[in-house]
Amino acid sequence: AQSVTQLDSQVPVFEEAPVELRCNYSSSVSVYLFWYVQYPNQGLQLLLKYLSGSTLVKGINGFEAEFNKSQTSFHLRKPSVHISDTAEYFCACGSARQLTFGSGTQLTVLP
Amino acid sequence: KAGVTQTPRYLIKTRGQQVTLSCSPISGHRSVSWYQQTPGQGLQFLFEYFSETQRNKGNFPGRFSGRQFSNSRSEMNVSTLELGDSALYLCASSLGADLRYEQYFGPGTRLTVT
Repeated sequence: AQSVTQLDSQVPVFEEAPVELRCNYSSSVSVYLFWYVQYPNQGLQLLLKYLSGSTLVKGINGFEAEFNKSQTSFHLRKPSVHISDTAEYFCACGSARQLTFGSGTQLTVLP
Repeated sequence: KAGVTQTPRYLIKTRGQQVTLSCSPISGHRSVSWYQQTPGQGLQFLFEYFSETQRNKGNFPGRFSGRQFSNSRSEMNVSTLELGDSALYLCASSLGADLRYEQYFGPGTRLTVT
């Protein structure tokens, strides 16, 4: 069985400040890791994914994440956020044909 | 290229009724997955279809069922609706069934059970 824990349910941050959204996973097998973003009244959009190889993964909109196998973490970072980054962010893992999602982190960027 | 479309976008049903939701994947995509999103349980996997066959199923009661047609369009059905079935139902399509293929999500169908 797999599980994903997103440590912060809400993260407020001022515009142009850096942000880190934390994600830890648990799995007895190797997994793929993902970050998705969901804007109000919309579906999920893939930000980035880790399948194998380099542990630092770059995604869209200036986001990046680092896979840390020893700490079973996959934290999402952005060096400078914009108002338009306000959304809910979901971390997910999967090893076969289904994704297991975390409970989500609401990122609110304040002017 | 058109994205994943889901119909209807909003639906209100009464407890005990049944409902059918539809998902049209991106052209060429053969895998369709369904997820339920609620404030309490978050995003949970329902099932996945590939080439008209259900390949994987989440931990939901038998009231939840689905199917996929030869054109890859998929439907999910919920019978004997309960208040707890109120949720946003998301479908996602991908070229292949492996998670290495990116899943593209539709906007969802918001089901309200009264």
